[in-house]
Amino acid sequence: EDQVTQSPEALRLQEGESSSLNCSYTVSGLRGLFWYRQDPGKGPEFLFTLYSAGEEKEKERLKATLTKKESFLHITAPKPEDSATYLCAVQAQYNFNKFYFGSGTKLNVKP
Amino acid sequence: DGGITQSPKYLFRKEGQNVTLSCEQNLNHDAMYWYRQDPGQGLRLIYYSQIVNDFQKGDIAEGYSVSREKKESFPLTVTSAQKNPTAFYLCASSIERAGVNTGELFFGEGSRLTVL
Repeated sequence: EDQVTQSPEALRLQEGESSSLNCSYTVSGLRGLFWYRQDPGKGPEFLFTLYSAGEEKEKERLKATLTKKESFLHITAPKPEDSATYLCAVQAQYNFNKFYFGSGTKLNVKP
Repeated sequence: DGGITQSPKYLFRKEGQNVTLSCEQNLNHDAMYWYRQDPGQGLRLIYYSQIVNDFQKGDIAEGYSVSREKKESFPLTVTSAQKNPTAFYLCASSIERAGVNTGELFFGEGSRLTVL
């Protein structure tokens, strides 16, 4: 069964305290893995796409990495404005319109 | 600016009523999607449409209906047959490059439906 599991469910960090969020997945042929940021009451906002194991993408304080079974979103020296829920999704090779979403990690960065 | 507009942002419905959520995009994207988001769960696909006048059921289509008469518009109707409709509904479109669905989803701001 294709599925995505994110951990932890919630994470509290002090400003400047680096950490990582995990996204474990099983899918019958991965076309792409996606990270989104979602603020309360808003729609998700696209961050990264990763296509193959070993690939890395960076944007400001965020870096996403991919292995054959999981992806990590590393947050370096976070700021309070990084507080949000981070969603992971995988796209299946057999149907480009099928995306499996995890339930997200709610990040809270305290000043 | 290009984007996806969902309306209304908040909607209250009495049991037994049908309601329609609007989704309009000016991004010229072909593929559009409706997702449902419940607390503690991942987004679940209700319906999607790749082109005008064509749409496909997602994982939780029961109790919902859609239409795609124009490229820009993909309204979702929540019918009285949907047993637990209270949720946050998200409309999205998919960015294409060189005619290929990239998988990058562009979301609207969402509509929160509450059944009284």
